[in-house]
Formats: sequence, structure tokens, C-alpha cells
Amino acid sequence: EVQLVESGGGLVQPGGSLRLSCAASGFTFSNHWMSWVRQAPGKGLEWVANIKQDGSEIYYVDSVKGRFTISRDNAKNSLYLQMNSLRAEDTAVYYCAREPYEWSIFGVAIWFDPWGQGTLVTVSS
Amino acid sequence: IQMTQSPSSLSASVGDRVTITCRASLSISNYLNWYQQKPGKAPKLLIYAASRLQSGVPSRFSGSGSGTDFTLTISSLQPEDFATYYCQQSYSTPYTFGQGTKLEIK
Repeated sequence: EVQLVESGGGLVQPGGSLRLSCAASGFTFSNHWMSWVRQAPGKGLEWVANIKQDGSEIYYVDSVKGRFTISRDNAKNSLYLQMNSLRAEDTAVYYCAREPYEWSIFGVAIWFDPWGQGTLVTVSS
Repeated sequence: IQMTQSPSSLSASVGDRVTITCRASLSISNYLNWYQQKPGKAPKLLIYAASRLQSGVPSRFSGSGSGTDFTLTISSLQPEDFATYYCQQSYSTPYTFGQGTKLEIK
């Protein structure tokens, strides 16, 4: 069974740091781009960052650039999100997601499947 | 790329045909996905590449569109379909989602 399990969430003060982990199983982790997506309480979904199979390409949403770092360890089938200088607006459930893809004559279609169950990060004093 | 869904909420009855629309702020070809989310749960993929039904998803769900305008249609609503639906573009990073459409029981 393809599965993603996040951990590492919790309560942290503004300006603090937290490291999220995502353990993958049931598929060849090293073959896939991976993403982090977050959802603030009662709000919609926001893509945060993604990383290429070998870690050589990384992209972030502007609001976390310079504060968050995505990384992976293919030997441990794990994805990470190091979050520094946390702000109240970073409070959210953080999901990791696999990025399957399919090439066509038009280019490459990408989607998120599966998603982990999520881990809650609360930034508050 | 901004994604705009309409309506933001919708009341419907079991058996109804429902359509949700998603508009992109620029052309995204067919790089559009649809997800269903129930309270307290992770999103679930329904449709990828605008019209491709994810394995295991009931055939009452369908997607269409290309360029800037897309639709998700549920042909005959079932009780388990009451949830929030999101569109998402994968044309370019930052990947962006619509604001969501909450489908409620009438």
C-alpha cells in the first residue's frame, strides 16, 4: 500500500523552528518529486514547496522563501521540511504529497497523490 | 497563476447533477486537477490532467476543459459526495489551488 506519514508538528513560539518529516512506503520514493502542502484552520490549500527526485531542483512559494527548507533522504525514504522564523500565519496542517507525472505531446501533467494524513503546526505565544 | 472556483458553496440533493467551475488567470493547457476533501481528512485526488479519472474514483465524477476554463461534474450526487472540492493547476510553480467549493446537503 502506498503510504505517506507525517510527523514533527506541534506548538512553537513565533520566531521558533520546527522540522517536519514524512515517511514514505509502498512505492519507489527516489523516482518521484515530492511536495509539501499546507492548510490553515478553516482555510483552503496552499502549496509550499517541492523537490526533485535527486534533490537537484527545489521550488518554494514566495511566503516561505528564506525561512523554510525542503530536503529528502532517498536512503531513508523520507521527506523533510525545516521551518525557521515561524510566524502566526504559518499555523496550518502540513501535508506531504507524492507528485506522479505523465508525459504527453503537450508536456508533463503532474498531480498530488497520495497525501499523508497531515501534521498540525501551531505558532503561538 | 490564480485559480477561481465557482460557486464557493452549493446546496444540492441526493441524485442531483452538479457542476463546479474553475477558471485560471492564464492558459494552463490541460494541467488541471480536482480533489475532494472531507472534514478532518486529507484531500483525495479525483481527476488529473483535466479529464482523467483517478483509479478507484466512481464514474459519476468527470472533468472537462482546457486553456482557462474547466468543470467538474458529478452526474448523480451520492450521500458520500458532500464535501469540499478544490481545483489545482500544475502548469507552473507555485502550484495554486482554487478557494474551494463546499457542497452541502439541501
